[in-house]
Parts: sequence; structure tokens; C-alpha cells
Amino acid sequence: KAGVTQTPRYLIKTRGQQVTLSCSPISGHRSVSWYQQTPGQGLQFLFEYFSETQRNKGNFPGRFSGRQFSNSRSEMNVSTLELGDSALYLCASSLDVGGFYEQYFGPGTRLTVT
Amino acid sequence: GEDVEQSLFLSVREGDSSVINCTYTDSSSTYLYWYKQEPGAGLQLLTYIFSNMDMKQDQRLTVLLNKKDKHLSLRIADTQTGDSAIYFCAEFSSNTGKLIFGQGTTLQVKP
Repeated sequence: KAGVTQTPRYLIKTRGQQVTLSCSPISGHRSVSWYQQTPGQGLQFLFEYFSETQRNKGNFPGRFSGRQFSNSRSEMNVSTLELGDSALYLCASSLDVGGFYEQYFGPGTRLTVT
Repeated sequence: GEDVEQSLFLSVREGDSSVINCTYTDSSSTYLYWYKQEPGAGLQLLTYIFSNMDMKQDQRLTVLLNKKDKHLSLRIADTQTGDSAIYFCAEFSSNTGKLIFGQGTTLQVKP
């Protein structure tokens, strides 16, 4: 079974631009979560999508948004990029069966904002 | 609110046992997890424990849970250089429906 894939793996953008990152979950997984990882703040939860609906949201500004398609693939978008948005963005998928939340992570997208 | 704390660094010699500790605050946590992150990679789920268990063993890994003290530990027996990585503990909070991660413990294994 293929793992979680994320594209692109690396991205360089300038301040003020916007960016869209993509995540393809493991086949059969309907839950997709996004995390931001930085050296200073660690791993922070951005949001979770389940069956095309945002089920949970972290404490990030409205510049961070996401969506999920009917095939469970997910995208996240960051508008008006700031230098502080430079981070590794990780996507994770899970079956989410019976309250057991076993997440499988992709390799991440390394975003650098200059 | 939820908070997960870990020590930041642990150094051991190859062949020794490593013990990585974690404390959490959310008493509604149902599952607790250990993840491993190698340089340039995403997170790999190592093992998990359900909150009504005290211990779980999985080959070289032993997870101990003290629910009263909200303390979780991961013991790696016969630590190898390939075990060098960052280890994250995480709790799933049934209150918020979120997976909350600690800041990660860097394990350095010296040959």
C-alpha cells in the first residue's frame, strides 16, 4: 500500500505570495490532518478534514486554509506569505475507526519564504 | 488546556537502553503515541498505548504509562546507531479531537 504523498517536497516563495500544498492520503483513509513544524514552535496542528468537511482547527490565522476533495486528497493554502511561515508542513492521514486515531505522516513540504 | 512536555536531549552508548520520558496534562486522553522522526523525513508511528493500559511491549520497545501521574515513557532496549532520531510523544485528546505533540527528544547514540 502506498504511503502518504505530499507535493511539492520543496518550495521557495517570497513574502506576500500565496502557496498551495497538496497531500494524497493512504488509500481508504478519510481523515487528513495538517501540521506545521518549526524549530521554535515544534509541531503545531493546523486543521483536520474528514469526508470533505473541516472537523477540527488549530490556532492559526485565516491566511491558512484547506480543503478536501471527494477522493480524500487534500490541499492547504497559505495566502500573503510571511517570513515566519517558513516551515516543514506535514500531512497525516488516518482511518479514524472507533476513536482510534493512528496517523500516518507524509515526508512533508519544506516551505522557505524569502 | 492540553500540554505535552518532553526532555529535549538524551545521549546513550550503543547497546545501552534508552528511556525517553513524557508528561501530559489532559486527563481525557484516550491514546498516547510515540513517533520517530529522522532527518529530512516525516514522522513514523512507532507504537501507541491505550489509556487503560499500564505497559505495552513491542520487540525492543516498551511503553510504560502512569495515568495517575500522567507520565509516559518509551524504553528502547539495545539501542543502535540507527535509533538516532527525534522522538515525539503525542496524546489524543477526546475533549478537543486533536493530536497534541510534545516538542521532541533528540536521541544521540554513540558508537
